[in-house]
Amino acid sequence: EPEVTQTPSHQVTQMGQEVILRCVPISNHLYFYWYRQILGQKVEFLVSFYNNEISEKSEIFDDQFSVERPDGSNFTLKIRSTKLEDSAMYFCASRLGDGYTFGSGTRLTVV
Amino acid sequence: GNSVTQMEGPVTLSEEAFLTINCTYTATGYPSLFWYVQYPGEGLQLLLKATKADDKGSNKGFEATYRKETTSFHLEKGSVQVSDSAVYFCALISTGGTSYGKLTFGQGTILTVHP
Repeated sequence: EPEVTQTPSHQVTQMGQEVILRCVPISNHLYFYWYRQILGQKVEFLVSFYNNEISEKSEIFDDQFSVERPDGSNFTLKIRSTKLEDSAMYFCASRLGDGYTFGSGTRLTVV
Repeated sequence: GNSVTQMEGPVTLSEEAFLTINCTYTATGYPSLFWYVQYPGEGLQLLLKATKADDKGSNKGFEATYRKETTSFHLEKGSVQVSDSAVYFCALISTGGTSYGKLTFGQGTILTVHP
């Protein structure tokens, strides 16, 4: 069964550093998403991406965040200057119709 | 906007007990409804879904019925196992406007099943 692959599974970074979280969505899916889950809390929408541009972003997704699909297969989330409160599990997902497939997540720890 | 409300957890049960996790929603249009499960240290897995009113989603002994009149999608299982211990998320998918396709999650319910 096709999978969404996320790397790394765990990343520790110092406050103020830039991080890039990587995802390989399912190849025939057209819609791509990033969600995050702060420890013990609900899963929150960050951004959706379609046709090489952002289609919607949440209020969490401020100027410190960006997404890119640089080569037609990878889908990345960049946080320019990490803050302690960015510590969370970040999930990538791709969708065809209403069929979502989530990656296993990247646990980001900002110290 | 859309919202999903789940019963407060955590829920602790003995093996073979009956499980109900309540979920209600507010949405415009006719959303599809989902239950996702997250096992310790893992990502989100789709457990079951229902796409229209009165549909029943089922998987691995779990069931949930899309009730439009009560805007609910309660999760049930007749006999839980220790291996069902996980966090369960109710969710809906937006079906209109610029938010089409966005998932809105409930706050999650931690289920612990003891032998």
